[in-house]
Amino acid sequence: DAGVTQSPTHLIKTRGQQVTLRCSPKSGHDTVSWYQQALGQGPQFIFQYYEEEERQRGNFPDRFSGHQFPNYSSELNVNALLLGDSALYLCASSLAGINSPLHFGNGTRLTVT
Amino acid sequence: GDSVTQMEGPVTLSEEAFLTINCTYTATGYPSLFWYVQYPGEGLQLLLKATKADDKGSNKGFEATYRKETTSFHLEKGSVQVSDSAVYFCALSDLGSGGSNYKLTFGKGTLLTVNP
Repeated sequence: DAGVTQSPTHLIKTRGQQVTLRCSPKSGHDTVSWYQQALGQGPQFIFQYYEEEERQRGNFPDRFSGHQFPNYSSELNVNALLLGDSALYLCASSLAGINSPLHFGNGTRLTVT
Repeated sequence: GDSVTQMEGPVTLSEEAFLTINCTYTATGYPSLFWYVQYPGEGLQLLLKATKADDKGSNKGFEATYRKETTSFHLEKGSVQVSDSAVYFCALSDLGSGGSNYKLTFGKGTLLTVNP
């Protein structure tokens, strides 16, 4: 049973470019959340998708957008990259319901130069 | 807003030593509390959780008790092993809306190194 898979594992982009990160949830899960983890910090919530809609959003600018597909997989898009966007981006999946634990992927390491 | 404050690291212990990592929180309502562990090069793994006051979460010899009166959820282990070396994150939940579940607010993490 595959867990949460994210691609790519590493990515290097130039300031001003756009990037797309991908996530496949754990089998049976229907909710996907994205977190940004800066070096030496805890993960920060970006947004959450359920039934192909953004359900919750953290304090991130509109440059951060996402999508969820009918098969529950998800993409995170970041436009106009800034140096400060360099971080580990974590995807977490779960089954809708308040007692369902989050399962995290290993993340995508984004470096903006 | 919600916040989590955990003990600054790094923490370095010898094998079989006693571990405590302090965690306090600020939240509206009654959040659920979690400890996650992150091994090098890996994603976060749920270590344990507690969903209401006085609950004790436990797993792999680790335990933490939800203390509402002190707004704390300290992580303890009686005898650490080299394999416990990792970054530990305290987190709280915030109930989501609609059919989705909660989002997590994390502390900054505590790096634990256990030497043989």
